[in-house]
Amino acid sequence: DTAVSQTPKYLVTQMGNDKSIKCEQNLGHDTMYWYKQDSKKFLKIMFSYNNKELIINETVPNRFSPKSPDKAHLNLHINSLELGDSAVYFCASSQGQGRGYTFGSGTRLTVV
Amino acid sequence: SQQGEEDPQALSIQEGENATMNCSYKTSINNLQWYRQNSGRGLVHLILIRSNEREKHSGRLRVTLDTSKKSSSLLITASRAADTASYFCATDARTGANNLFFGTGTRLTVIP
Repeated sequence: DTAVSQTPKYLVTQMGNDKSIKCEQNLGHDTMYWYKQDSKKFLKIMFSYNNKELIINETVPNRFSPKSPDKAHLNLHINSLELGDSAVYFCASSQGQGRGYTFGSGTRLTVV
Repeated sequence: SQQGEEDPQALSIQEGENATMNCSYKTSINNLQWYRQNSGRGLVHLILIRSNEREKHSGRLRVTLDTSKKSSSLLITASRAADTASYFCATDARTGANNLFFGTGTRLTVIP
């Protein structure tokens, strides 16, 4: 199936830990993204990345870092997790300007 | 902020009725998109309308765009119980990047 897949689907971890969420797309898209959705369903862009440019939302703490080993993968690393990081994180991809996104099914992160 | 806002926040209708959701945004755009999110799932792209278009149809969906008022509407005709979901509008900004900024969402409930 062509899709954006992210793992794990659920992640429960303690404050202070470091964790990663993986994302892979087999759609051949050029650009990948990470979004955070809070408890009020508010979606906020964190990063966008293609093979030329990483755009970081300036409000994202530097504890969050994207890592892209190749065009089909954009993983999210989070250091020193805090309670406020609890949210659903969505990976998405698109084929450039003026195209819709394809979203993954989300990773629910709970920091305890 | 480039974030849009949907109105109403929640809408409850009977099956077979039409549902209208509105979106307002703040900046100049290249295009506006609508997405659906079922509970616990990722977002699904529904329709994209470009800034030089005023109306677009896709099946039971009708989208309008008024760039002078910076607003859009999504009409779902002959609603079905399966249309129950949250609906988000998303706008790009004329920055050259395809980063989307999502509205706050309308929660639609279609009662069978």
